Amino acid sequence: GEDVEQSLFLSVREGDSSVINCTYTDSSSTYLYWYKQEPGAGLQLLTYIFSNMDMKQDQRLTVLLNKKDKHLSLRIADTQTGDSAIYFCAEFFYGNKLVFGAGTILRVKS
Amino acid sequence: GAVVSQHPSRVICKSGTSVKIECRSLDFQATTMFWYRQFPKKSLMLMATSNEGSKATYEQGVEKDKFLINHASLTLSTLTVTSAHPEDSSFYICSATSRGEAFFGQGTRLTVV
Repeated sequence: GEDVEQSLFLSVREGDSSVINCTYTDSSSTYLYWYKQEPGAGLQLLTYIFSNMDMKQDQRLTVLLNKKDKHLSLRIADTQTGDSAIYFCAEFFYGNKLVFGAGTILRVKS
Repeated sequence: GAVVSQHPSRVICKSGTSVKIECRSLDFQATTMFWYRQFPKKSLMLMATSNEGSKATYEQGVEKDKFLINHASLTLSTLTVTSAHPEDSSFYICSATSRGEAFFGQGTRLTVV
């Protein structure tokens, strides 16, 4: 079945890079997403990558996809205090089904 | 991008009453919408898939009679939590897809007292 796992917590200093990792079991997904959730708020789509791509860069965000290892990562360059939030990776399957990881809490220390 | 509006953002209700949550796609038509529930410090769990003009498809373990879903039009799906109990307190989020991308509502914080 579909299962998505993430590390629970990451702490970085302001200005450093953050790398959030995600592993998944079902490789039939069409897209893989990264969402950001701030306290008490809904989900904000940060970026996504097609399942046939290896890398995508979007300003401070870099997504790497290793299909062989079923590993997805999100790198945030020059992390700011405003980046503190929970980050979810998610797989999007045919039929519009999204399967989420448990979320990684990113804390940025100033 | 497309916009999904969810209402209300917060609701407090008494145990035993029913609460309706609305999810609207504002600038696109959504034949399918999704309802998720998020427990504290946990991921989003898909509750059900709401299909316009037909019955919703519920995930295993979700009570159909407790969480009533109606998708009467291409832009509106509603989730009604019937006979709410404190254990139903949670954060509920709806989503709709447009051109392969999923868009989420702002979420509804339900507190049952």
